[in-house]
Amino acid sequence: DGGITQSPKYLFRKEGQNVTLSCEQNLNHDAMYWYRQDPGQGLRLIYYSQIVNDFQKGDIAEGYSVSREKKESFPLTVTSAQKNPTAFYLCASSSWTDPDTQYFGPGTRLLVL
Amino acid sequence: GENVEQHPSTLSVQEGDSAVIKCTYSDSASNYFPWYKQELGKRPQLIIDIRSNVGEKKDQRIAVTLNKTAKHFSLHITETQPEDSAVYFCAAVAGGGADGLTFGKGTHLIIQP
Repeated sequence: DGGITQSPKYLFRKEGQNVTLSCEQNLNHDAMYWYRQDPGQGLRLIYYSQIVNDFQKGDIAEGYSVSREKKESFPLTVTSAQKNPTAFYLCASSSWTDPDTQYFGPGTRLLVL
Repeated sequence: GENVEQHPSTLSVQEGDSAVIKCTYSDSASNYFPWYKQELGKRPQLIIDIRSNVGEKKDQRIAVTLNKTAKHFSLHITETQPEDSAVYFCAAVAGGGADGLTFGKGTHLIIQP
């Protein structure tokens, strides 16, 4: 998990604004994931990508978008269509040799002004 | 899709006693069940996992049991210590395809001195 970085640590969004959260990994992992965590809730899957240039919607994809142009990078954009974006966002990755075991980044806390 | 229920939401035990957290899942195709520990403001850390071809796995003071017929699995922590205080999440996935995990809502474990 030490090879996954997320930035920024805190992010503030104004009404109607799109913001992008960064996730980078140097573990040579093939699959990457984005989860959202709200207080009192478990982690919920937003999007995931198993290979470059391909990604799938998770359980709560509405109001979010992603891209996977490079193996090591999987940025998440929170669009203005996401009406309740305040949450802790966690990125994770896994390797093809052990696809089930996911390692998490340190997270980005998004707050709405 | 998969649904994971986790109980209790809060568990308080005396230091040195045992703690048990239980989860149930709905998708009979699920075959990988990890447990994560999350300290306040930090990333989830994988502490133990089990696959559907075994019924129990142990790692020092931590053990996990799985009952495939009943679709439930449990985390057991023995000889609890203050550093065990955290939020614990169970998860499930029909593994092998690098799909996202479905998490329970978490258990806040409090170790009383």
